Amino acid sequence: NAGVMQNPRHLVRRRGQEARLRCSPMKGHSHVYWYRQLPEEGLKFMVYLQKENIIDESGMPKERFSAEFPKEGPSILRIQQVVRGDSAAYFCASSPFDNTEAFFGQGTRLTVV
Amino acid sequence: SQQGEEDPQALSIQEGENATMNCSYKTSINNLQWYRQNSGRGLVHLILIRSNEREKHSGRLRVTLDTSKKSSSLLITASRAADTASYFCATEGNSKLTFGKGITLSVRP
Repeated sequence: NAGVMQNPRHLVRRRGQEARLRCSPMKGHSHVYWYRQLPEEGLKFMVYLQKENIIDESGMPKERFSAEFPKEGPSILRIQQVVRGDSAAYFCASSPFDNTEAFFGQGTRLTVV
Repeated sequence: SQQGEEDPQALSIQEGENATMNCSYKTSINNLQWYRQNSGRGLVHLILIRSNEREKHSGRLRVTLDTSKKSSSLLITASRAADTASYFCATEGNSKLTFGKGITLSVRP
């Protein structure tokens, strides 16, 4: 059973471009979470999704950011018109259901130049 | 707002010593979890303690939870140089984990 797979591991984008980050949860996990980590900081919650549904997006910026978890395929975190402040490590986690441990991927490190 | 607050922010100990890290939080929780992160890597789950539990052990790890004080501690016994990492506590409530800023642990060989 492969762990949570995120790709790409590193992503460089110029200001104004779009960034697409992918996350394949562990097999059998229907809950996906996205977190952002700035250097020397903890992880900040962005969004919680179940298959085809956004459950909680209270940590997601209102503009330029969107997330989906389709019936088939990985979860996607999409950042439009990236700015330098979007540079961070983005982590995805999955769990089989509520109130259990979450398994994290290795993260995607986004650099906006 | 940050839910978990770890203390100290940084800890440096000699190999073989015990390391104690503390976490305080503000609101009610379903469970509290501790994670470890090596530099530039993802998070590794260490241990989960539910709100109705007071103490839990896993190998060299011992975690306690005091819901009346809204605090938890993580004890690593007989530390090793390989334990050098950042440690985060995370509280689970409303189906999401809220992390503190982390504790940087350095274990000197």
